[in-house]
Amino acid sequence: EAGVTQSPTHLIKTRGQQATLRCSPISGHTSVYWYQQALGLGLQFLLWYDEGEERNRGNFPPRFSGRQFPNYSSELNVNALELEDSALYLCASSARGGLGGNEQYFGPGTRLTVT
Amino acid sequence: GESVGLHLPTLSVQEGDNSIINCAYSNSASDYFIWYKQESGKGPQFIIDIRSNMDKRQGQRVTVLLNKTVKHLSLQIAATQPGDSAVYFCAEKRRNTPLVFGKGTRLSVIA
Repeated sequence: EAGVTQSPTHLIKTRGQQATLRCSPISGHTSVYWYQQALGLGLQFLLWYDEGEERNRGNFPPRFSGRQFPNYSSELNVNALELEDSALYLCASSARGGLGGNEQYFGPGTRLTVT
Repeated sequence: GESVGLHLPTLSVQEGDNSIINCAYSNSASDYFIWYKQESGKGPQFIIDIRSNMDKRQGQRVTVLLNKTVKHLSLQIAATQPGDSAVYFCAEKRRNTPLVFGKGTRLSVIA
């Protein structure tokens, strides 16, 4: 069974540009989560999508947005990039969102570098 | 505020010894806890989880202990191997909320 996949692996942008990151969940999973992991830090929750709807949002500015498609894949968009947006962006999926006890399986991440 | 944190940011152990990684959480409403392992250049990998109605759960070479009285979670790794070297994160969850991750502990195994 294929795991969570993310693309691209690496992304280099300049300040002020926009970045689009993509995630494909494990087949059968309906929930997708996005996290930001800055160098040397833990994972900060960004967004949670389930069944095409945004269920929860972390403490990030509105220029971080996303969506989930009918096939449950997801995009994370970051507008007006700032240098501090440089981080590893991780996507995870789970079988059912919102309920305790659902394992989240992570993808390998997209390394975003803003220069 | 609510937080999940770790007592030790780094841990070095001899190969073959047991490792204990600790984690403190502050929200007594959390009902689900997970340990993740993250190797360099990879995403976090699920290790083991435990619900709040349990105080111990064992997996293959790993044991998670939950002490709700002092809001403490620990991960024990038996017979630590070089392949166990990684950053370990604890995470807590409450119903209908996303996971909250701690900052992580780096485990270094000395051969």
